[in-house]
Amino acid sequence: DARVTQTPRHKVTEMGQEVTMRCQPILGHNTVFWYRQTMMQGLELLAYFRNRAPLDDSGMPKDRFSAEMPDATLATLKIQPSEPRDSAVYFCASGFSQDNEQFFGPGTRLTVL
Amino acid sequence: DAKTTQPNSMESNEEEPVHLPCNHSTISGTDYIHWYRQLPSQGPEYVIHGLTSNVNNRMASLAIAEDRKSSTLILHRATLRDAAVYYCILSSQAAGNKLTFGGGTRVLVKP
Repeated sequence: DARVTQTPRHKVTEMGQEVTMRCQPILGHNTVFWYRQTMMQGLELLAYFRNRAPLDDSGMPKDRFSAEMPDATLATLKIQPSEPRDSAVYFCASGFSQDNEQFFGPGTRLTVL
Repeated sequence: DAKTTQPNSMESNEEEPVHLPCNHSTISGTDYIHWYRQLPSQGPEYVIHGLTSNVNNRMASLAIAEDRKSSTLILHRATLRDAAVYYCILSSQAAGNKLTFGGGTRVLVKP
């Protein structure tokens, strides 16, 4: 049963520390999306990739967030330095560019103290 | 991005049908209508999508108005496991299949 996996599932860190979240998309999928969910803002799209190339990262705070796909099996989202307002659940999703369905991972719950 | 409007919440009894409305009056010709749901403490899960015609799958049915300005997700027999937030989203391949989530409808299923 193919699934999107995300690590870590939970992360507690202190303000100012670097945070790296990882996502393994479903094998063969060529689009990857990063979303963030908070109580106040709901689910927001941060960035997305097609064939490992970043297509849109307009939803991401550029000064501290960065998203990359080092290879087709790994997507990373980094925050440096982290701030308390970054506390949220971060979801990764993958899919086929010619298809409409996105498959979501279980999320990484980040708490920045 | 074209927006959708959904009721904040709905209640249903177990084993009864649930009809979840969604208004999308500014939908464009290339927009697909997607429904996702999010169970507690989980990531969103695809439910169904359509363009113009009504659609059925093992999870639900999607009824699309003739003018495409509204649609209804139908859960034929609600179970306790169907309690979730249901999101109606417009998306197009031209826009990279991006999903812009609104507030969704929180469905409560009573035994």
